[in-house]
Amino acid sequence: SYELTQPPSVSVSPGQTARITCSGHALPKKNAYWYQQKSGQAPVLVIYEGSKRPSGIPERFSGSNSGTIATLSISGARVEDEADYYCYSTDSSGNYWVFGGGTKLTVL
Amino acid sequence: QITLKESGPTLVKPTQTLTLTCTFSGFSLSTSEVGVGWIRQPPGKALEWLALIYWDDDKRYSPSLKTRLTITKDTSKNQVVLRMTNVDPVDTATYYCAHSRAAAGISYFDYWGQGTLVTVSS
Repeated sequence: SYELTQPPSVSVSPGQTARITCSGHALPKKNAYWYQQKSGQAPVLVIYEGSKRPSGIPERFSGSNSGTIATLSISGARVEDEADYYCYSTDSSGNYWVFGGGTKLTVL
Repeated sequence: QITLKESGPTLVKPTQTLTLTCTFSGFSLSTSEVGVGWIRQPPGKALEWLALIYWDDDKRYSPSLKTRLTITKDTSKNQVVLRMTNVDPVDTATYYCAHSRAAAGISYFDYWGQGTLVTVSS
């Protein structure tokens, strides 16, 4: 079965740029999506189609892709950005979808 | 605005069948490219994609759970139902339903319900 691999944790100081990676063999052909999940809450879409931001998502959130690795970047990270972040995409066949294992972002 | 809400039992015994209902508003499941999916999250663990049903009744399932899952829709009631057979304590999780839209061959979730915690225990 298809897997998306993320680092378990990323830690940055406030104001720094946080980068969270997601690795998957189908990513050169399939867009990655990114969700933010704060403690006790439902996930929120922060990046779609690889690099687009939904309405209401701050400009400091951006997405990019290089081959088999998609990256979520948060420039000027704030304490309020502390959350679990999940990448999401589909396998090469496009018949089912998967989430990555999640990355806990700490900003302190 | 689009809203979704999950409902169902909070406690299920092992080997039983779990039935969850997603009641939604703000969109129609007869609109092209629209779908409703189910995702779960065991306590302290990652999200897991379970199933998705489209406006045209096309259905997709997680390969690892395909034999145990059934997803159906009732367009007139604005509801989607997920059934999971032969539950086990490892199925204990918060179950979310979510609105799906398609782009470039990927169906992704842009609106989520609040989730419902289901515990499997005897």
